[in-house]
Amino acid sequence: LAKTTQPISMDSYEGQEVNITCSHNNIATNDYITWYQQFPSQGPRFIIQGYKTKVKNEVASLFIPADRKSSTLSLPRVSLSDTAVYYCLVGELDTGRRALTFGSGTRLQVQP
Amino acid sequence: NAGVMQNPRHLVRRRGQEARLRCSPMKGHSHVYWYRQLPEEGLKFMVYLQKENIIDESGMPKERFSAEFPKEGPSILRIQQVVRGDSAAYFCASSTGTGDEQYFGPGTRLTVT
Repeated sequence: LAKTTQPISMDSYEGQEVNITCSHNNIATNDYITWYQQFPSQGPRFIIQGYKTKVKNEVASLFIPADRKSSTLSLPRVSLSDTAVYYCLVGELDTGRRALTFGSGTRLQVQP
Repeated sequence: NAGVMQNPRHLVRRRGQEARLRCSPMKGHSHVYWYRQLPEEGLKFMVYLQKENIIDESGMPKERFSAEFPKEGPSILRIQQVVRGDSAAYFCASSTGTGDEQYFGPGTRLTVT
């Protein structure tokens, strides 16, 4: 399983763009990169998933360089409600990878 | 379409008692996963079940823990003779199939006194 490394915490202000980078030097060819968000006292929620280059949805963007050894989750114009823990996960998407492996995540604190 | 439901949300047990945690997957989902989260840590996989079958229990402690997902009714995670170290948040997730996106429930917070 590819190990991931993320900053323990980040601080931001409302309206700013937040970029959280995850390192995964041992990522395998079949691995996808997935980000989850977890609010206090709630279960994790899927944000975005990608394999290479850039992926964008209504919530966030995911940038993956050509070597795929890292990825960056970009949250545009954060609000107080974006305060949460963000997890970067790396693993196969198919039947060989059933269990999700969570690291310690990045605790994002958004200030007014 | 209701999301994944877990009950109870909070459970307090004395050492030595049994804890039963229930998980009702989303409608149409036949795959259930259980995870445990200790304070300030990420979720740790415990067990993966399909209806009436345990597919992967590589994350389950060898003793005192068991899980089932019967043909009818919710999935049950059972912890016998609880100890203080079992205090944690237990999350259930469900999916339509292996490898598909997992949707998480709100969790059950177990406190062992």
